[in-house]
Amino acid sequence: EVQLVESGGGLVQPGGSLRLSCAASGFTFSGYGMNWVRQAPGKGLEWVSYSSSDSGTIHYADSVKGRFTISRDNAKNSLYLQMNSLRAEDTAVYYCARDSHNWVFDSWGQGTLVTVSS
Amino acid sequence: DIQMTQSPSSLSASVGDRVTITCQASQDIGYYLNWYQQKPGKGPKFLIYDASNLETGAPSRFSGSGSGTAFTFTISSLQPEDVATYYCQQYDALPPTFGQGTRLEI
Repeated sequence: EVQLVESGGGLVQPGGSLRLSCAASGFTFSGYGMNWVRQAPGKGLEWVSYSSSDSGTIHYADSVKGRFTISRDNAKNSLYLQMNSLRAEDTAVYYCARDSHNWVFDSWGQGTLVTVSS
Repeated sequence: DIQMTQSPSSLSASVGDRVTITCQASQDIGYYLNWYQQKPGKGPKFLIYDASNLETGAPSRFSGSGSGTAFTFTISSLQPEDVATYYCQQYDALPPTFGQGTRLEI
């Protein structure tokens, strides 16, 4: 069974940093691209970032480009999102999602809440 | 970015009803359209890919159709466990974008 478990969320002040993690199990992590998708409270879904299986191809939404960095450690079956210069509008539940092909998100975690507030 | 517009934003139906949600893309996306179900407090669940293909394990009462800019998602006979918010998503072009969601109640 595919399992994705996010962690690392919390309360951070504007301008601060946070690192999210996603622990994967139940599939060959190194064979899949992975994504971060977020959902602001009471709002819809917004794609944030993508990493190919070998980290050779990475994409970001314009709203986070230059502030967020996606990375992965295939030896540890883990995906990460380093978030810097956080803003109030980054407040959201952050999900990691497996990419079956070309941004088809076939498995999702339960999410981790990031709150940016003073 | 490609804009995805769902309608209605919310709807209420009875058990056994046939329910239809529509999704309109701001430009031609071919068949590159997925549907997801999200229950409160949970991550989304993948239901349909390539506009009309049912994901393995998804109930057969769910179906999808359409191409180009107009798509529909149908539940043939609504069940209590179908209470959720449903999202369409295009993957024809970066960035992948979602509709605003349709909240389904019984």
